[in-house]
Amino acid sequence: GNSVTQMEGPVTLSEEAFLTINCTYTATGYPSLFWYVQYPGEGLQLLLKATKADDKGSNKGFEATYRKETTSFHLEKGSVQVSDSAVYFCALSSSGSARQLTFGSGTQLTVLP
Amino acid sequence: DSGVTQTPKHLITATGQRVTLRCSPRSGDLSVYWYQQSLDQGLQFLIQYYNGEERAKGNILERFSAQQFPDLHSELNLSSLELGDSALYFCASSVGASGGSYEQYFGPGTRLTVT
Repeated sequence: GNSVTQMEGPVTLSEEAFLTINCTYTATGYPSLFWYVQYPGEGLQLLLKATKADDKGSNKGFEATYRKETTSFHLEKGSVQVSDSAVYFCALSSSGSARQLTFGSGTQLTVLP
Repeated sequence: DSGVTQTPKHLITATGQRVTLRCSPRSGDLSVYWYQQSLDQGLQFLIQYYNGEERAKGNILERFSAQQFPDLHSELNLSSLELGDSALYFCASSVGASGGSYEQYFGPGTRLTVT
């Protein structure tokens, strides 16, 4: 079945530091890949997505590239801000007839001023 | 604001009881998904409806059921509640059910506490 493995947290960085959160997946076919962010007390917000190999998703300074050869979708940001403190979830939806999301365990990011 | 609404925001009930969680999808979205978020299990897919029909089932207990109505809102019914059912329940919606990327947009969630 499908699975997503995410870097264990929590991650604590200083403002303006470089961020990488690792994500690898196992899936049949050609899944779509997503990063969602969850701020305290809120629901999940779609951060970025990629639908095929070598696609790069980007939004709000965050980027992730769909790497089929390494089955990875690592999230990066060049300079984090305090406001980026949240839980980040990597997810995939399979290419079959149903499109439910399979999530990683989430990575808590705290950015200190 | 994702455009997906969920009510109630919080629910506290006792073991053995039954509750109903409600979700209204974004305007134009035909597909509704339910997810459960708990500390021990993480985020798990429960069930999906597309235009009133059940489309996919995940790790949904037999005590749980859902439906999608003609106006496309959905309800998740949880019965014979146990302490372990305490969790955050999210609804998400998307335009379609299969094909393409069809990203899902999540509601704010209903926090269920079973005492």
